Amino acid sequence: ETGVTQTPRHLVMGMTNKKSLKCEQHLGHNAMYWYKQSAKKPLELMFVYSLEERVENNSVPSRFSPECPNSSHLFLHLHTLQPEDSALYLCASSRGLAGGEQFFGPGTRLTVL
Amino acid sequence: AQKITQTQPGMFVQEKEAVTLDCTYDTSDQSYGLFWYKQPSSGEMIFLIYQGSYDEQNATEGRYSLNFQKARKSANLVISASQLGDSAMYFCAMREATDISNFGNEKLTFGTGTRLTIIP
Repeated sequence: ETGVTQTPRHLVMGMTNKKSLKCEQHLGHNAMYWYKQSAKKPLELMFVYSLEERVENNSVPSRFSPECPNSSHLFLHLHTLQPEDSALYLCASSRGLAGGEQFFGPGTRLTVL
Repeated sequence: AQKITQTQPGMFVQEKEAVTLDCTYDTSDQSYGLFWYKQPSSGEMIFLIYQGSYDEQNATEGRYSLNFQKARKSANLVISASQLGDSAMYFCAMREATDISNFGNEKLTFGTGTRLTIIP
């Protein structure tokens, strides 16, 4: 298994749907992250989990709900999204120690109709 | 003010030539780290190189080197002998000391990126 995997790779959903994005890391890391990447904008940090506890929420709308059941898995539950939520959603993990880089998954390309 | 500025939205470079991607940053911290990531069309962000603010030597990783000029707050990425596979988006990112919580997490601030296209 490669370091960080994400499923699905592509998702199209209506505004009334409920869906979930999944991220799994096989690196033994302690911290996991959700980022949103919109066209022509810098990556936006959405959520940070360390040792399964959420430590950061960058004022993300409540229609995005993260879940971290263990240090290897991270979910992003989606409901009643808006078209402007269409973006690439990237998951990353890190050792959680200063000096280490974040390892990213391939992302989920989300389109909200 | 933006913390990370990448002024080149796009660059075209002939294969085998060297290329420099610009990155300037803004921080009042004494301790910080600078990262470069590559994002091919597949979407995955690939870590390339890291420079710590206290590192006296410029970081190098194979064909990648980081031209770190602390006084000017710049951290340009240099790719030597470019290859067709280098065509991708390149992002500069910074981790500041204040970002490291008690849990030791690393919050990165990213620039808007530079799209590099290598021409055969």
